[in-house]
Amino acid sequence: AQSVTQLDSQVPVFEEAPVELRCNYSSSVSVYLFWYVQYPNQGLQLLLKYLSGSTLVKGINGFEAEFNKSQTSFHLRKPSVHISDTAEYFCAVRTGYSSASKIIFGSGTRLSIRP
Amino acid sequence: DTGVSQDPRHKITKRGQNVTFRCDPISEHNRLYWYRQTLGQGPEFLTYFQNEAQLEKSRLLSDRFSAERPKGSFSTLEIQRTEQGDSAMYLCASSLKGTSSKLDHNEQFFGPGTRLTVL
Repeated sequence: AQSVTQLDSQVPVFEEAPVELRCNYSSSVSVYLFWYVQYPNQGLQLLLKYLSGSTLVKGINGFEAEFNKSQTSFHLRKPSVHISDTAEYFCAVRTGYSSASKIIFGSGTRLSIRP
Repeated sequence: DTGVSQDPRHKITKRGQNVTFRCDPISEHNRLYWYRQTLGQGPEFLTYFQNEAQLEKSRLLSDRFSAERPKGSFSTLEIQRTEQGDSAMYLCASSLKGTSSKLDHNEQFFGPGTRLTVL
């Protein structure tokens, strides 16, 4: 069975500083990995996804993530954060290639940006 | 706005009452999903439709919960005899089935959710 662990429930950083949000997964089959962002009172928005190919995936808003199969990780990074990046970030694994496959979410990391 | 919409955005009810939520997916999307998100947790899958057929249900979906998608467009999620433990954000998502198995990897688009509070 698949599962997702987000090691940090909250990450405070100063504006313009770099940030890394950690995510580890467990799966006995091929994995398809995602990062979603949830702004206050809004639904989830896809930041980036890894289905296959290059292990470094670039997403929207300057975020990127690296798939590391040996460490079963998919950490999210941004070199310089902005106040507008304040949100909750969810790492997720999809149980299959098809969009109909179930998505299993981590418990989320709240990113707070200090001016 | 052509995204996924949900109604109502907020619902406060008393324990024991029935509630119904509605989700309107993106118009050409044939797949529709319901998730539940409790405070401090990520969303958990509840159920999924392809067109009007309900193809999968989670064990989280007790017999007090029922979901329908009668015409393959909008969907409703009803909770009967609500309990305080039902308080959560209920999220709907939709996606478009790919034309082949190789192309069937489209993302799920999420609505803003309905926040349910059971007193």
